[in-house]
Amino acid sequence: DGGITQSPKYLFRKEGQNVTLSCEQNLNHDAMYWYRQDPGQGLRLIYYSQIVNDFQKGDIAEGYSVSREKKESFPLTVTSAQKNPTAFYLCASSTEGGGTEAFFGQGTRLTVV
Amino acid sequence: KQEVTQIPAALSVPEGENLVLNCSFTDSAIYNLQWFRQDPGKGLTSLLLIQSSQREQTSGRLNASLDKSSGRSTLYIAASQPGDSATYLCAVMTTDSWGKLQFGAGTQVVVTP
Repeated sequence: DGGITQSPKYLFRKEGQNVTLSCEQNLNHDAMYWYRQDPGQGLRLIYYSQIVNDFQKGDIAEGYSVSREKKESFPLTVTSAQKNPTAFYLCASSTEGGGTEAFFGQGTRLTVV
Repeated sequence: KQEVTQIPAALSVPEGENLVLNCSFTDSAIYNLQWFRQDPGKGLTSLLLIQSSQREQTSGRLNASLDKSSGRSTLYIAASQPGDSATYLCAVMTTDSWGKLQFGAGTQVVVTP
């Protein structure tokens, strides 16, 4: 089955810890994205990548980091610098940037304990 | 900066009624507009993608229209069913944003049997 797989589904972080969210796609898409969703708000873009070994900051990149070493994978690290990390995180991909359909994974819910 | 608004925030209808969901955006320079469905605690499922050159798209009971000049899109769901209960999100890709989607906050729909 082609699609986007996010893991884990639920993640708990202690204060001061870094945690990494996984996103893998087998759609052969060049572009990948990370969004954050908070209750009652639309999704906000954290980071995006157009191609392997290249990525750019989105609207709310502070406290997050990413890497893109393989076309299929785009992991997101939530660092201790992110002061309010509790949220639902969604990964997406598309064939290219302009004008193409975006597909989403099932999300990871991160909670600070 | 592109702003996307969805009104109403919540909607409840009896089964069998037609649903009309509205999306407005401030910058008409768009590549496309995409409608998504989100079930509680789940990722986004793409429903319809309308390119900027198109006026509407249809899939089964779903029909989405696009009026770029007035900055509006409407999603119609005919003969609603309880299984249509979900949150519906619209997202716009502007021409200067390379693949990045700007989301509305969504309309939460409940279809009562």
